[in-house]
Amino acid sequence: KQEVTQIPAALSVPEGENLVLNCSFTDSAIYNLQWFRQDPGKGLTSLLLIQSSQREQTSGRLNASLDKSSGRSTLYIAASQPGDSATYLCAVKGGGSQGNLIFGKGTKLSVKP
Amino acid sequence: GAVVSQHPSRVICKSGTSVKIECRSLDFQATTMFWYRQFPKKSLMLMATSNEGSKATYEQGVEKDKFLINHASLTLSTLTVTSAHPEDSSFYICSARRQGAELYGYTFGSGTRLTVV
Repeated sequence: KQEVTQIPAALSVPEGENLVLNCSFTDSAIYNLQWFRQDPGKGLTSLLLIQSSQREQTSGRLNASLDKSSGRSTLYIAASQPGDSATYLCAVKGGGSQGNLIFGKGTKLSVKP
Repeated sequence: GAVVSQHPSRVICKSGTSVKIECRSLDFQATTMFWYRQFPKKSLMLMATSNEGSKATYEQGVEKDKFLINHASLTLSTLTVTSAHPEDSSFYICSARRQGAELYGYTFGSGTRLTVV
């Protein structure tokens, strides 16, 4: 059974710092991996999607990497801003293109001005 | 593109009543929609998968008679919490799978905070 773990559970950094969020999964047979952002009491906003054949994806100040063989992904946020404060969720999709998403518990990020 | 609208965003109901939550794909056809439940400091838990025009597939441990799911059209799925109890209070989120989702990922609604008093 696929399990997704995110470390740390919470992180507080001063504005401007670069930071890394970690995600690990137990079954390397994934179809893709997706990083989401969730603001308090809100739904999920997709940040980056990495296909199983890809190593990384970039969008603005965000860079996500994937090492499928070791079951790990990282989300790198450059030059963090207070507006980046949110919970970041990692989800893996298995079972081919029709598979469900399996989520981690998230990392709650707080960027202090 | 790929917007999913979920309504209502918040609802408070009395114990024993039923509540319906709607999930609409606004600019695409969603052959498959998913319903999740989120507990504080926990992972999103998949409750059921609904395919347009067929019965929903429920995850183990989810009571299908309590959480009624209807996916009558390619743009609308509804979740009805029947005879709600305080323990049903939670955050419910839907997501929709569109054609090409393997390239773009799944799109999520904004969630519904249900409070049963």
